[in-house]
Amino acid sequence: GESVGLHLPTLSVQEGDNSIINCAYSNSASDYFIWYKQESGKGPQFIIDIRSNMDKRQGQRVTVLLNKTVKHLSLQIAATQPGDSAVYFCAENADAGNNRKLIWGLGTSLAVNP
Amino acid sequence: EAGVAQSPRYKIIEKRQSVAFWCNPISGHATLYWYQQILGQGPKLLIQFQNNGVVDDSQLPKDRFSAERLKGVDSTLKIQPAKLEDSAVYLCASSGGTGGPDTQYFGPGTRLTVL
Repeated sequence: GESVGLHLPTLSVQEGDNSIINCAYSNSASDYFIWYKQESGKGPQFIIDIRSNMDKRQGQRVTVLLNKTVKHLSLQIAATQPGDSAVYFCAENADAGNNRKLIWGLGTSLAVNP
Repeated sequence: EAGVAQSPRYKIIEKRQSVAFWCNPISGHATLYWYQQILGQGPKLLIQFQNNGVVDDSQLPKDRFSAERLKGVDSTLKIQPAKLEDSAVYLCASSGGTGGPDTQYFGPGTRLTVL
């Protein structure tokens, strides 16, 4: 299954399928991007990050793709499991004067059906 | 390593009362953040500390919210007096360790309900 985080905030997939969560970021000067997973009643949990000098980075069952041309970020989860059910946030990090600020996307809720 | 600790986990108060939240960041992390998260939304930064100095408090409602990090480690966030719209989860995060200066690690949050 696939979703656009800003327009379709809920993604429902079958257990075992691959999930793709999309995010459009706003600042062309952003140079660091992070995906967080937030389960109900918990704080956001770091999943994977990518710097702007890369276009792909892989972790355990997760892959992040970065397309700077269209300012698009995606998170791919392979063989989605019930434990992956959560809200996923993308965040971009850019310089703001003498400080670096983390700008959060709206979040996409992933529901995994057994 | 131990994660970010927060307390209490839940708090229910009446409007116009005061409340305080406590945060202990990951050991060695110089930067500490307080966020407010409304249900269904991403976290909103309230204040950012670098050691014991304030780096960014532009979105902190200073007429009622205050925060301090006196010794550059633990931090407290206070609301006085609370309003109904302050009902939210208050998240503490820290960064600056081996994960790099930009990677923020979050605590479990304090869920505040204002009646």
